[in-house]
Amino acid sequence: GAGVSQSPSNKVTEKGKDVELRCDPISGHTALYWYRQSLGQGLEFLIYFQGNSAPDKSGLPSDRFSAERTGGSVSTLTIQRTQQEDSAVYLCASSLALASPGEQYFGPGTRLTVT
Amino acid sequence: AQRVTQPEKLLSVFKGAPVELKCNYSYSGSPELFWYVQYSRQRLQLLLRHISRESIKGFTADLNKGETSFHLKKPFAQEEDSAMYYCALSGNSGAGSYQLTFGKGTKLSVIP
Repeated sequence: GAGVSQSPSNKVTEKGKDVELRCDPISGHTALYWYRQSLGQGLEFLIYFQGNSAPDKSGLPSDRFSAERTGGSVSTLTIQRTQQEDSAVYLCASSLALASPGEQYFGPGTRLTVT
Repeated sequence: AQRVTQPEKLLSVFKGAPVELKCNYSYSGSPELFWYVQYSRQRLQLLLRHISRESIKGFTADLNKGETSFHLKKPFAQEEDSAMYYCALSGNSGAGSYQLTFGKGTKLSVIP
């Protein structure tokens, strides 16, 4: 079956512009996660969804970042007024249930470059 | 707070030599530990988890609670093992339970 998909695969934007990143999880996976991978850093947890709700938003780096998930499926991560430090690979993952957070299936990522 | 430390950014070994990728963790409860791997131009994927006590592609990892370690081992490295390896931790209670905390990764290079 199809894995987690993300779009776009690459995004170059000017500083100050807003960007929207999309994640399509594996069908039937109720839990969805967003991570950020910066050069030389590990994977930084941003936010997770169980269904459409995001109980913990504390991982979002600033209030310029927001995420939503509708219909228990597709999720979008929005970054407003992008800054150069936002440049990173944004990874989405999904798992069958929140009770098995370690068994996450990752998408290919969106490489964001802010110029 | 939960933390995962992978002390080596890069590890180079010769083909056929033993491999040990180190991982230490900090967590107040009983965590679940995982190893993820990312081969060149491929997406991040789960390699193994400690609760399964399994061997995948010849790799094993034992959770040592006394030393808070979860080192990844393979007796004989193969060229196809060259990849980026990440150790990850999932808590079992509290607000952080549903996230994976990753180490910064170790790049394994197997020299032919």
